[in-house]
Amino acid sequence: KQEVTQIPAALSVPEGENLVLNCSFTDSAIYNLQWFRQDPGKGLTSLLLIQSSQREQTSGRLNASLDKSSGRSTLYIAASQPGDSATYLCAVPSGGYNKLIFGAGTRLAVHP
Amino acid sequence: SAVISQKPSRDICQRGTSLTIQCQVDSQVTMMFWYRQQPGQSLTLIATANQGSEATYESGFVIDKFPISRPNLTFSTLTVSNMSPEDSSIYLCSGGGGAGFSYNEQFFGPGTRLTVL
Repeated sequence: KQEVTQIPAALSVPEGENLVLNCSFTDSAIYNLQWFRQDPGKGLTSLLLIQSSQREQTSGRLNASLDKSSGRSTLYIAASQPGDSATYLCAVPSGGYNKLIFGAGTRLAVHP
Repeated sequence: SAVISQKPSRDICQRGTSLTIQCQVDSQVTMMFWYRQQPGQSLTLIATANQGSEATYESGFVIDKFPISRPNLTFSTLTVSNMSPEDSSIYLCSGGGGAGFSYNEQFFGPGTRLTVL
């Protein structure tokens, strides 16, 4: 059974810091991994989708890496800003085109 | 990508009543899903909405409580029936699959925040 874990659960940093959010999964047979952002009380915004054949995906100040063999992904946020404050979720499909298994999320607060 | 809208965005309901949530996608998608996010928790899949056939429910979720319709490739509804305070959650729909989508990639609606008194 696929399980997804995210650490840290919460993070509070001053503006300008570079951040690393971690995601690990127990079953390495995944097609891809998605990172999402969720603002309080809102839906999910897709940030990055990284395919199992890829090692990295970049979008602006965000960079996601994937190491399937070790069951890990990291989301790197460069030069953090207060507008980055949100909960970041990673998710993997459970098999086929099927349900996404979500981690519990990392709650990020960036203060000026 | 896909833009997904949901109605209503939020509602406050009395116990014992039912609420139907609508989900509209701006393009045709193969797959649509309904998730629940209880306060302070991550997302849990309720069911896969299948076009033209009954939805596929996850363990712990039943059709009598969460009937789902999917009449076409862009629209689905979820009804939360005979509500109790334990049903207070954010309900999110997602979609993906089809032309222009990466395999297994899902996009989410803004969610419906439900409070049951």
